[in-house]
Parts: sequence; C-alpha cells; structure tokens
Amino acid sequence: ILNVEQSPQSLHVQEGDSTNFTCSFPSSNFYALHWYRWETAKSPEALFVMTLNGDEKKKGRISATLNTKEGYSYLYIKGSQPEDSATYLCASGSSNTGKLIFGQGTTLQVKP
Amino acid sequence: DTAVSQTPKYLVTQMGNDKSIKCEQNLGHDTMYWYKQDSKKFLKIMFSYNNKELIINETVPNRFSPKSPDKAHLNLHINSLELGDSAVYFCASSRRRGELGSEAFFGQGTRLTVV
Repeated sequence: ILNVEQSPQSLHVQEGDSTNFTCSFPSSNFYALHWYRWETAKSPEALFVMTLNGDEKKKGRISATLNTKEGYSYLYIKGSQPEDSATYLCASGSSNTGKLIFGQGTTLQVKP
Repeated sequence: DTAVSQTPKYLVTQMGNDKSIKCEQNLGHDTMYWYKQDSKKFLKIMFSYNNKELIINETVPNRFSPKSPDKAHLNLHINSLELGDSAVYFCASSRRRGELGSEAFFGQGTRLTVV
C-alpha cells in the first residue's frame, strides 16, 4: 500500500447500531497513525494518535486498534448516536516533519 | 478561545488577483502547516514551518508563498490567482514537528473561490 486508504467511503446506520471502519496505510517506516473527527462546517479534531503495534485506545463509545505490521487500523463506534455523524479521517504521520498523509475519510450518517 | 484561527473564512476574488490568508495559533506550538482540501476532499500538505523555518514545501506552484513572521503565525500569500486555486485551505499546528503522539490542531478553513 502506497497511500492511506479508508473504507467504506460512506456509511448510514440507525441510532444504537455499532459500526466500524478501516484505515490502511504503508506499514514500512511506520511512525504514527492519527484519527480525526470532522463535523460539517467545523475543523477536524483529533480523536487518537497511535504509535505502538497492538495499541488500543478508547474515548467514550469510540475506540481504535492498530496493527503496524500489516498496516491497518480500525475505528469502532459502539451504540451510534446522531451526534456521531461526521467524517472520520485517518492519517499517517511522518517522523521528522510532522507531515500527515490523510485518507479520503469515511462519512458516517446516524439516523435517529 | 480559538486555538488555531484563520481569516478570512470565505474569500471570493477574481482571476489574476493576489490574496493572503492569515493563520494564528495561541497554543505555543512550534510547528504550523498549510493543507489544501482538493476536489476529491483529500487534505494534502502544502507547507510546514517549524519555529519560522520552512521544513516542508510540497509540489506547489511558486505563486503560493508562505510567510511566518513568528512561530505563532503562518500566512499564505497567493499571486495571480487561477480558477484551479479554488479550494478550502486549512491551517494547522502541532507542538513539535514529528513529536511522537502529538496531534495536529486545525483552523476552521478558508473557502477560496476564484471567479
């Protein structure tokens, strides 16, 4: 994998459903993997920065896992709520510059 | 208190004009960035400054010139605007470039429309 890729591109779920999406990134020279939440008309906001293989992070109903050897990360949302509707971005971070290479995002719509 | 603020939020201008977008962060961060959201909605890095020093300059037309008067400010100046420059431009900052675990903080974006 040369770029950061996210799937699916968009997702519609009912309130209360649990959901997950995938981020694939180049596993060679891995440094850090970032997840951001981006609501319409707002700025992207950091959810997690993950650096270690096997890392699991959690913030409320949202959690993420990291596999640096195979180059993927999963983001999970338990019991989705309408306020979770947003675009979720992942990005691969560079060690010496701080540059982030973003995926195209997964847009989640949670219906009440 | 807005951590990373950009002005203006919207900018509509004619082809050929020169315009600037300003960015300021009050987080005490060393590193600032400009990203462009392209037509496919990807956020792509354009420039990065660390303590007023240019450290990233991606393949961007030289009509785009960043200027960092101090580490809290990174402005983007665009000369001879073209239709293809229409996009949303995001400023961001992080504590120290490449610091492990350090997240980026983004401004609200500037929507530039060239007519």
